[in-house]
Amino acid sequence: AQSVAQPEDQVNVAEGNPLTVKCTYSVSGNPYLFWYVQYPNRGLQFLLKYITGDNLVKGSYGFEAEFNKSQTSFHLKKPSALVSDSALYFCAVRDKEGRRALTFGSGTRLQVQP
Amino acid sequence: DARVTQTPRHKVTEMGQEVTMRCQPILGHNTVFWYRQTMMQGLELLAYFRNRAPLDDSGMPKDRFSAEMPDATLATLKIQPSEPRDSAVYFCASGLVIGSKSGELFFGEGSRLTVL
Repeated sequence: AQSVAQPEDQVNVAEGNPLTVKCTYSVSGNPYLFWYVQYPNRGLQFLLKYITGDNLVKGSYGFEAEFNKSQTSFHLKKPSALVSDSALYFCAVRDKEGRRALTFGSGTRLQVQP
Repeated sequence: DARVTQTPRHKVTEMGQEVTMRCQPILGHNTVFWYRQTMMQGLELLAYFRNRAPLDDSGMPKDRFSAEMPDATLATLKIQPSEPRDSAVYFCASGLVIGSKSGELFFGEGSRLTVL
């Protein structure tokens, strides 16, 4: 079975400060890992993915994520938060063989205060 | 600008009625997914198709839900009969998988279903 845990329901950060949204995963074998963002009344939008290679992955809108195999984590980060980053963020995992569809975490609401 | 198109965007119906949601995946994508989003359960996978064949529908209530891909440009999710607990936002997503390599999923804007 594959699963994703996002331990924080909400993360609050002041504009201009760095942000981190946490994600840990469980999957058989090597993982494909993804981050998606959802704005109100919209579908999910792809931010970034880890497939293989460099553990630090850079994505859209200045976001990046670090794959840590020993800790089975894939935390989302941004050096300087914007108010417009306020949204719902989902981490997702899939096994490399593609036997199963993406499994999503429960989501973390990011609130960036001006 | 390629996108996944879902219809209807909003549907209000009465308990017991049949509901059909439609999805047009991005041209060339060979995988299609149906997810359901609720406040309580988050995002739940209902069905997963690859090359129009169902690979995983273990999350779908079989007694009332059915998912099909009559052709590569259309995926449908049907609920018959609908119940108030089916009220949710239903998302369709498509992606391209070649061998074991997987691209990202592209989501539609969702179909918001309210069953009274």
